[in-house]
Amino acid sequence: GIQVEQSPPDLILQEGANSTLRCNFSDSVNNLQWFHQNPWGQLINLFYIPSGTKQNGRLSATTVATERYSLLYISSSQTTDSGVYFCAVNPPTGANNLFFGTGTRLTVIP
Amino acid sequence: DAGVIQSPRHEVTEMGQEVTLRCKPISGHDYLFWYRQTMMRGLELLIYFNNNVPIDDSGMPEDRFSAKMPNASFSTLKIQPSEPRDSAVYFCASSLQNTEAFFGQGTRLTVV
Repeated sequence: GIQVEQSPPDLILQEGANSTLRCNFSDSVNNLQWFHQNPWGQLINLFYIPSGTKQNGRLSATTVATERYSLLYISSSQTTDSGVYFCAVNPPTGANNLFFGTGTRLTVIP
Repeated sequence: DAGVIQSPRHEVTEMGQEVTLRCKPISGHDYLFWYRQTMMRGLELLIYFNNNVPIDDSGMPEDRFSAKMPNASFSTLKIQPSEPRDSAVYFCASSLQNTEAFFGQGTRLTVV
């Protein structure tokens, strides 16, 4: 199956700092999503971004499908941003299932 | 819409018992997925349905696991008999074709 690699695996930030999370995938994809898993375990949709750039408040994402990577930017981080960020992709085989990366664990300290 | 609804939120059971997890997808979505999350293996797909029909069950770990979708608004994942290594968080998700998938809050299963 398609391989999804995320970096860095762990990240500790001071509140107010900015960060960039990266997702590399091994094959072309139909869809790409970014999720935030909060400390209570809930998977929250951040972006549905098979290509291009989107912004939502302090968060933005860019996917360059031809080069098989996506970036998630977090600006002015807050303690509530803590948790694990997952990238997930759909292979272009007609199947609709998501393959998940191993995640980036973000800790924002006050 | 209330989103994807899973029940129960937590389940503690003894080894050998039958466990049934339930999921109500978002109304109108024609794809339903069951995922399992563990520390060792991360988030992995167990099975998915399209229009209530199982399409790919290659992720189901063994015959002790079974899933059904009797109608468009309900699905179950059953483990019989349960074992301690089945302890994990089980997520249900739903979507339309080639669109954003939405996840339920998960069921945390502990088999003792």
